[in-house]
Amino acid sequence: SQQGEEDPQALSIQEGENATMNCSYKTSINNLQWYRQNSGRGLVHLILIRSNEREKHSGRLRVTLDTSKKSSSLLITASRAADTASYFCATPGTSYGKLTFGQGTILTVHP
Amino acid sequence: DAGITQSPRHKVTETGTPVTLRCHQTENHRYMYWYRQDPGHGLRLIHYSYGVKDTDKGEVSDGYSVSRSKTEDFLLTLESATSSQTSVYFCATQQGRGSGYNEQFFGPGTRLTVL
Repeated sequence: SQQGEEDPQALSIQEGENATMNCSYKTSINNLQWYRQNSGRGLVHLILIRSNEREKHSGRLRVTLDTSKKSSSLLITASRAADTASYFCATPGTSYGKLTFGQGTILTVHP
Repeated sequence: DAGITQSPRHKVTETGTPVTLRCHQTENHRYMYWYRQDPGHGLRLIHYSYGVKDTDKGEVSDGYSVSRSKTEDFLLTLESATSSQTSVYFCATQQGRGSGYNEQFFGPGTRLTVL
């Protein structure tokens, strides 16, 4: 079963706008990761936030984590057409670095 | 892409035939994973390896086997392919465990079609 669930499933915006994607999970975690997947490619790691962090920034990315609500959000500011991709949250499994991925949010940024 | 290659990149096969997918990494990462990606299901873990000759099952392991005889190679075998195994298969690696080693690096994927 999926640990993380993204919302919305699809998001369509204009270049320059902000994009917000949400991830909810079920069990306690010690970190949460976000990945991006361009069409026809493998996933690329974006950012990791630990359970003792509430917010983390990386360039135009801002990730928040609310462990009390078991949710995380990924904000992409000033979006560009090149940000068009699927975005996945991933939570740790029980051992050996295993990850459980959500179903992803498909982001389309129109130029 | 952390030096991860997958072969073949595309394959069409018939029901009942065995298929082997190869993942090769040049990063000397200890952990390796096989995922399948299907619409509506995201990525699901098939098998993983935590060292040479050390493997274990993931979430959707039925009909699949793996082998890892050396650090750089992780093979996924569909013993008798079925149409339900039509999917895109991704290999991933991770350097180690613990703080600072959580990132997984993904290969480009193999698109498998079982007719």
